[in-house]
Amino acid sequence: DIQMTQSPSTLSASVGDRVTITCRASQSVNSWLAWYQQKPGKAPKLLIYKASTLESGVPSRFSGSGSGAEFTLTISSLQPTDGGSYYCQHYYGAPRAFGQGTKVEVK
Amino acid sequence: EVQLVESGGGLVQPGGSLRLSCVASGFIFNNYYMSWVRQTPGKGLEWVAKITHDGTEENYPDSAEGRFTISRDNAKNSIYLQIDDLRVEDTAVYYCTRDWLVAGAGRGIDIWGQGTMVTVSS
Repeated sequence: DIQMTQSPSTLSASVGDRVTITCRASQSVNSWLAWYQQKPGKAPKLLIYKASTLESGVPSRFSGSGSGAEFTLTISSLQPTDGGSYYCQHYYGAPRAFGQGTKVEVK
Repeated sequence: EVQLVESGGGLVQPGGSLRLSCVASGFIFNNYYMSWVRQTPGKGLEWVAKITHDGTEENYPDSAEGRFTISRDNAKNSIYLQIDDLRVEDTAVYYCTRDWLVAGAGRGIDIWGQGTMVTVSS
């Protein structure tokens, strides 16, 4: 099974900072990689799919890049509403797998 | 409005069984694979089952250990998750999710239900 590893596990940044989260797969998943944001007590929300395609309605400060086994999620200018947890997930066949998550604190 | 509504969660004793249900609305249900994802309290997301649009193929992680069974009824726009031999570590919020669109672009999980809580405790 393909394992997903995210880093860092937590990060704290100020409003306006550029933030990058990395996701590595144990083998290639081509570009079948999605990123989700989750706020406390809520279901996750799709941000990015196919590694770099922004989901409709998601602010353009979010971007995704990478292919194969290494991916990044970047928030170009962190906003107060961006606090929460972020997860990557591969959907290259089954079983699917999520990264362990990155908790983002906005100072 | 595209919507997924789960039901069937609750308090169950270890060793017991539970069947979760999810009703979909607002989209052509039989065009989509569907998945269940769970989240243990304070922890991350874990994918637990997937079923193809026509119900002919199911997939599970190794950790499911044969205790999880996903099914669907396209006539009722519904999917189900049967969990047997429940363990304390199965305590989690279980989310019904919309997965792959057949002949589509592959967007990951684009729709999530609100989740149903399963608590396994004696």
